[in-house]
Amino acid sequence: EPEVTQTPSHQVTQMGQEVILRCVPISNHLYFYWYRQILGQKVEFLVSFYNNEISEKSEIFDDQFSVERPDGSNFTLKIRSTKLEDSAMYFCASLGQGALKLFFGSGTQLSVL
Amino acid sequence: QKEVEQNSGPLSVPEGAIASLNCTYSDRGSQSFFWYRQYSGKSPELIMSIYSNGDKEDGRFTAQLNKASQYVSLLIRDSQPSDSATYLCAVPHTGNQFYFGTGTSLTVIP
Repeated sequence: EPEVTQTPSHQVTQMGQEVILRCVPISNHLYFYWYRQILGQKVEFLVSFYNNEISEKSEIFDDQFSVERPDGSNFTLKIRSTKLEDSAMYFCASLGQGALKLFFGSGTQLSVL
Repeated sequence: QKEVEQNSGPLSVPEGAIASLNCTYSDRGSQSFFWYRQYSGKSPELIMSIYSNGDKEDGRFTAQLNKASQYVSLLIRDSQPSDSATYLCAVPHTGNQFYFGTGTSLTVIP
């Protein structure tokens, strides 16, 4: 079965540093998402991306966050100046045209110290 | 914000029993409903989808949907220890944005 690939699997950073989380969605998918899950809490929507632009974003996705699809295959989430409360598992997901099955990557565990 | 509500549990059932997981949603316009399973430290994995009122069976899993009551449930028959996980209810709405419930933690006791 096709896979969504995320790197790195773990990222440790100091508060105030920038981090970039990387994702390679399934190649023929058109919709891309970032979700986060703080330990013990729900999977929270951050942002969706379609046709090379943000289609929706949540209240969590403030000016510290940005997404890019720089080369037609990678899909990145950048956090400009990390805070302690950004520590969470970040999941990338993708969705094909006409389908409603979200495929999740294995996640990046971000720890902000 | 479209809400999806689940009992967080934990729910414990003995091996071989039926586990019943429930979910309510607030958006009356929702047309499709999904159950994901999430093992600790892993990503969510789709196990069932349902679009029409009534029951849908897939192996040991049965999804039940009642749109009038805005209620969707998941039954796991002959529960196995490997079913121990958190089960997430997901409801997409306009823009293909999926909202997830908080999840119900299930433990199947051998």
